[in-house]
Amino acid sequence: KAGVTQTPRYLIKTRGQQVTLSCSPISGHRSVSWYQQTPGQGLQFLFEYFSETQRNKGNFPGRFSGRQFSNSRSEMNVSTLELGDSALYLCASTRVGTDTQYFGPGTRLTVL
Amino acid sequence: QQQVKQSPQSLIVQKGGISIINCAYENTAFDYFPWYQQFPGKGPALLIAIRPDVSEKKEGRFTISFNKSAKQFSLHIMDSQPGDSATYFCAASIGSGSGNTPLVFGKGTRLSVIA
Repeated sequence: KAGVTQTPRYLIKTRGQQVTLSCSPISGHRSVSWYQQTPGQGLQFLFEYFSETQRNKGNFPGRFSGRQFSNSRSEMNVSTLELGDSALYLCASTRVGTDTQYFGPGTRLTVL
Repeated sequence: QQQVKQSPQSLIVQKGGISIINCAYENTAFDYFPWYQQFPGKGPALLIAIRPDVSEKKEGRFTISFNKSAKQFSLHIMDSQPGDSATYFCAASIGSGSGNTPLVFGKGTRLSVIA
């Protein structure tokens, strides 16, 4: 079974731009969560989607948004990029009724 | 507010030795406690997880010990190998079985196993 895939793997943007990251969950997994990983703050929860609805949201500004499609694929968008948004963005998928979150390899975003 | 505190930040262990990483949590509503292993350039991978109704869980060389009254849990890696060198994260969440709540992570422990 294929794992969680994330595209692109690397991105370089400049301040003020916007970016869209994509995540394809494991087949059959309907819940998708997004996390931000930085050396200073560690792994922090951004949001979680299930059946195209946001069920949980972390403590991030409104510049961070996401959505989920009917095939469970998810995208997250960051608008008006700031230097501090440079991070590894991880997506995780979960099968209904279980707790295990399976992580993808992440998208490394660098904001210059 | 850091809800899950992990220590140590880094750990060096001789090959064949025991690696011990500790975590403490504050929220008594947490009822699912996984440990993740992350290699450079990779996403975290689930290693082992425990729920508060048991005090210990073992899978191969990896053991979680859980102390509900002290609100602490730890990961023991027996017979540590150079291939175990990675960053380890403890985590906690609420709503076990619902798949409905976010993981709260510790800051991570960088383990180096030297020959």
